[in-house]
Amino acid sequence: SQQGEEDPQALSIQEGENATMNCSYKTSINNLQWYRQNSGRGLVHLILIRSNEREKHSGRLRVTLDTSKKSSSLLITASRAADTASYFCVSFKGGGNKLTFGTGTQLKVEL
Amino acid sequence: DAGVTQSPTHLIKTRGQQVTLRCSPKSGHDTVSWYQQALGQGPQFIFQYYEEEERQRGNFPDRFSGHQFPNYSSELNVNALLLGDSALYLCASRRTGENTEAFFGQGTRLTVV
Repeated sequence: SQQGEEDPQALSIQEGENATMNCSYKTSINNLQWYRQNSGRGLVHLILIRSNEREKHSGRLRVTLDTSKKSSSLLITASRAADTASYFCVSFKGGGNKLTFGTGTQLKVEL
Repeated sequence: DAGVTQSPTHLIKTRGQQVTLRCSPKSGHDTVSWYQQALGQGPQFIFQYYEEEERQRGNFPDRFSGHQFPNYSSELNVNALLLGDSALYLCASRRTGENTEAFFGQGTRLTVV
């Protein structure tokens, strides 16, 4: 697996606005996964996008993948205070379960 | 489905002691990995177990060891605890395959004093 690096490191928005987080990785991948972590607790799997997919939706989440640029983005539409969390992207290249995390994007959604 | 469960949730140990953390994988998952997450950092890979053997290892000293049982549950052992071992320890499980999601437990918060 290869490291995902998230950008920005911190993001503060108002409830109802959209939040966009970007991620870059270094080499070819099988898939890329996004996780959310609330208050330093367990990680929640949000979405997995395979290397042959360009866009994927899940509820208010939209993920894009550009393998030519080795980048991905996560869009959260109509954000809510409950979306306040750290978001990590993890690129995965077969051969095991080693997920390499960056420091994540800390999203704060204010009322 | 209970998902990935870890025990205990919190633990306080004294420097030099030994600790054992436990993880039960999600039903149907056969691969378990452990991660250490220091405050303000992303999780760092410790090692992965599959078929009761350690298959991959991150950059952690031999003080960190583990085990996987026939029912796929796993333990993480840390010997000779250091203050720097204080962290959130996360267990992740997945079903073997290239495009399967890893599911995480809520973690064990270890404090070494």
